[in-house]
Amino acid sequence: GEQVEQRPPHLSVREGDSAIIICTYTDSATAYFSWYKQEAGAGLQLLMSVLSNVDRKEEQGLTVLLNKKDKRLSLNLTAAHPGDSAVYFCAVSNMGYKLTFGTGTSLLVDP
Amino acid sequence: EAAVTQSPRNKVTVTGGNVTLSCRQTNSHNYMYWYRQDTGHGLRLIHYSYGAGNLQIGDVPDGYKATRTTQEDFFLLLELASPSQTSLYFCASSGQGANTGQLYFGEGSKLTVL
Repeated sequence: GEQVEQRPPHLSVREGDSAIIICTYTDSATAYFSWYKQEAGAGLQLLMSVLSNVDRKEEQGLTVLLNKKDKRLSLNLTAAHPGDSAVYFCAVSNMGYKLTFGTGTSLLVDP
Repeated sequence: EAAVTQSPRNKVTVTGGNVTLSCRQTNSHNYMYWYRQDTGHGLRLIHYSYGAGNLQIGDVPDGYKATRTTQEDFFLLLELASPSQTSLYFCASSGQGANTGQLYFGEGSKLTVL
């Protein structure tokens, strides 16, 4: 089955710096890619999603890059602020009825 | 915004105990999911359903049963709880299935098995 690796597990940046999180996946049929944010004590919330025909998507200070050749997905927070401190998960699907999640990245943004 | 409500939010039981986690969604979504979240593993799918009376096996189903009684309600049952089932459990729903990536999550149920 699909295997998703996510790194780094922990990331600390200063306010205004960029933060990059990377996921790699194994199934070449993977067609749907998404990023979720989990704030302390809460469930996950969808940040952004892309289909496999999209290489780059930008929204509200977030950039998602998809490299299908290398089976790599990344999330770039271009100018992080303390409110971005949370745990981030990538999640992928091969167009079936379930998502496979990465192991999570705990991001801390220092003011 | 989809509303997914889980109960209880916290539960402590002993080994061999019987536990039911409840989930209700109020947005007429067809798909519902139960995940467990553990450090180093991310979220792992236990069971899911695409409608009342339907049940599909996820990736880590051993020791768990589930039942979808209505479109709104999805239950996770641990009939003989073990310490390895100590975890944070999330219910999620989706209108079109996970192939759209848009799952709406509840706030989680923390289960401790002593």
